[in-house]
Amino acid sequence: AQKITQTQPGMFVQEKEAVTLDCTYDTSDQSYGLFWYKQPSSGEMIFLIYQGSYDEQNATEGRYSLNFQKARKSANLVISASQLGDSAMYFCAMREATSGTYKYIFGTGTRLKVLA
Amino acid sequence: GAVVSQHPSRVICKSGTSVKIECRSLDFQATTMFWYRQFPKKSLMLMATSNEGSKATYEQGVEKDKFLINHASLTLSTLTVTSAHPEDSSFYICSARGTLAHYEQYFGPGTRLTVT
Repeated sequence: AQKITQTQPGMFVQEKEAVTLDCTYDTSDQSYGLFWYKQPSSGEMIFLIYQGSYDEQNATEGRYSLNFQKARKSANLVISASQLGDSAMYFCAMREATSGTYKYIFGTGTRLKVLA
Repeated sequence: GAVVSQHPSRVICKSGTSVKIECRSLDFQATTMFWYRQFPKKSLMLMATSNEGSKATYEQGVEKDKFLINHASLTLSTLTVTSAHPEDSSFYICSARGTLAHYEQYFGPGTRLTVT
């Protein structure tokens, strides 16, 4: 079963508008972490934002915020005031503990294109 | 922030030869390093987890005799693709995790392997 689901293979957004990238997850762990990464065409993975399963407040980092709805097991990324440089692949990932070590599981990604 | 380097960034090799990829944590001690493989326009697939001084833990379906991982020190892990074949061509990314804050893993810039 897919543990991280990103249902939007591609998204378009107008420059300066806000956009929400969806992510749902599946875990039976009580303690886990949720991450969003940006991957531009260069291939590097850029950390954007982190949400811990016990964090009561939604995480925010500059123009990025994570809409964490624990009961629904969703962790959507909101990018406000989109910029042309935001065009990239975006991956949602979950850290869970397995056999005493941490593993990171990635979704299939969403390709975001910001339009001028 | 923490920096992870990978070398080489690109490599082309002939079928049947072996290729070594290095992953270094430059300003922190990486107790755990992860190796991922990414096919074009696909997600990151965890290949193996390596802890310093111990044998790597491979994910199901990853041939440990083909993808040799050595984590000899707290700042260096290597992935050797033995007897490479064209189907091994891919983007290989390492990440490193130490005793950091909640960001927890930092990614290297990736290595693009092409086997001819």
